Amino acid sequence: NAGVMQNPRHLVRRRGQEARLRCSPMKGHSHVYWYRQLPEEGLKFMVYLQKENIIDESGMPKERFSAEFPKEGPSILRIQQVVRGDSAAYFCASSPAGQVGGGYTFGSGTRLTVV
Amino acid sequence: SQQGEEDPQALSIQEGENATMNCSYKTSINNLQWYRQNSGRGLVHLILIRSNEREKHSGRLRVTLDTSKKSSSLLITASRAADTASYFCATAEFSGNTGKLIFGQGTTLQVKP
Repeated sequence: NAGVMQNPRHLVRRRGQEARLRCSPMKGHSHVYWYRQLPEEGLKFMVYLQKENIIDESGMPKERFSAEFPKEGPSILRIQQVVRGDSAAYFCASSPAGQVGGGYTFGSGTRLTVV
Repeated sequence: SQQGEEDPQALSIQEGENATMNCSYKTSINNLQWYRQNSGRGLVHLILIRSNEREKHSGRLRVTLDTSKKSSSLLITASRAADTASYFCATAEFSGNTGKLIFGQGTTLQVKP
């Protein structure tokens, strides 16, 4: 079992470019969660998705950020027109149905640097 | 404000000593979880305690939960250098099915060999 796979591990983007972060959940997990961690801080919830559905996006910034979890393929967190303040570590977690709010399995994260 | 707040922010101990970290939260919860994060890595789930439980053990870990005080503690006994990491508490809200966990700021633990 490969665990939660995130790629790329590191991503450098210039201001104004787009960043696409990918997350493949653990086998058998149908729920995906995205969190953002700023330096020296804890994780902040962004969005919770099931296959083809956004369940809770209360933590997503209103503009430039979007997420999807298609029927086939990984979940994608997309940040358009990145700014320096978007620099952070983005973590994806997954869980099986019935374990919502339980112990999640996290990926190793994507560290986004905006220059 | 942040739901989970941890204390202390940093802790440095010698190998073999016990380490205690505390977490406070503000709202009603369904459960409280502790995670470990090694530098530059993802989070590893350590233990989950439900709101109707008071104490839970897992190996060298002991977690307590006091819902009247809205607080939890994580005790690591007989610490090892490999326990050096940041430790976060996270709460799942009592109602709803949002899947959202609210994390504290974390305690950075250094265990000196």
